[in-house]
Amino acid sequence: DAKTTQPPSMDCAEGRAANLPCNHSTISGNEYVYWYRQIHSQGPQYIIHGLKNNETNEMASLIITEDRKSSTLILPHATLRDTAVYYCIVSVNAGKSTFGDGTTLTVKP
Amino acid sequence: GAVVSQHPSWVICKSGTSVKIECRSLDFQATTMFWYRQFPKQSLMLMATSNEGSKATYEQGVEKDKFLINHASLTLSTLTVTSAHPEDSSFYICSARRGQKNTEAFFGQGTRLTVV
Repeated sequence: DAKTTQPPSMDCAEGRAANLPCNHSTISGNEYVYWYRQIHSQGPQYIIHGLKNNETNEMASLIITEDRKSSTLILPHATLRDTAVYYCIVSVNAGKSTFGDGTTLTVKP
Repeated sequence: GAVVSQHPSWVICKSGTSVKIECRSLDFQATTMFWYRQFPKQSLMLMATSNEGSKATYEQGVEKDKFLINHASLTLSTLTVTSAHPEDSSFYICSARRGQKNTEAFFGQGTRLTVV
């Protein structure tokens, strides 16, 4: 799996968009970008994944740069329940993942 | 999303005993499941890949005789921690992939193991 770099922590005001960046400059052509989040003492929750095109689902949007060396996860209207550790993972094999330290997102009222 | 369930959610056992953790995919078949371990304030570490009907593949440094994995059906994988010791106390998490390699994977809620 390609290495990813994420900021260790971010704050966001409730109701505002949360934009979480991830650098993956060594990504190879067949590797997907996956985002998961983990709320304290729970298993990770799948959020979204993509190869090269931008993706959107009911939880979030994923913006992947044209060169695929970085991506941004967007939570459009953050709530207090979105406070969690967010992991960006690059892999050809969903499920078999190398987790980094992630970004601790704190949503504040 | 798809549901992956682990049982038990937490367990306390005495040193030297064995503990079995179950991971079930409730609404899909999973030919491959994965087992992770997470120590406090650390990230998840992949322990092994569990393949239905065949032997598990263990990551480097993980003792296969200590962490026995069985994947007897398309919806169930089990992890048995044998002769548990206090240093095995951790949060054990499984994941299952619903389809081909590049589809999403879903995680169980985790099992908190405490060895006393």
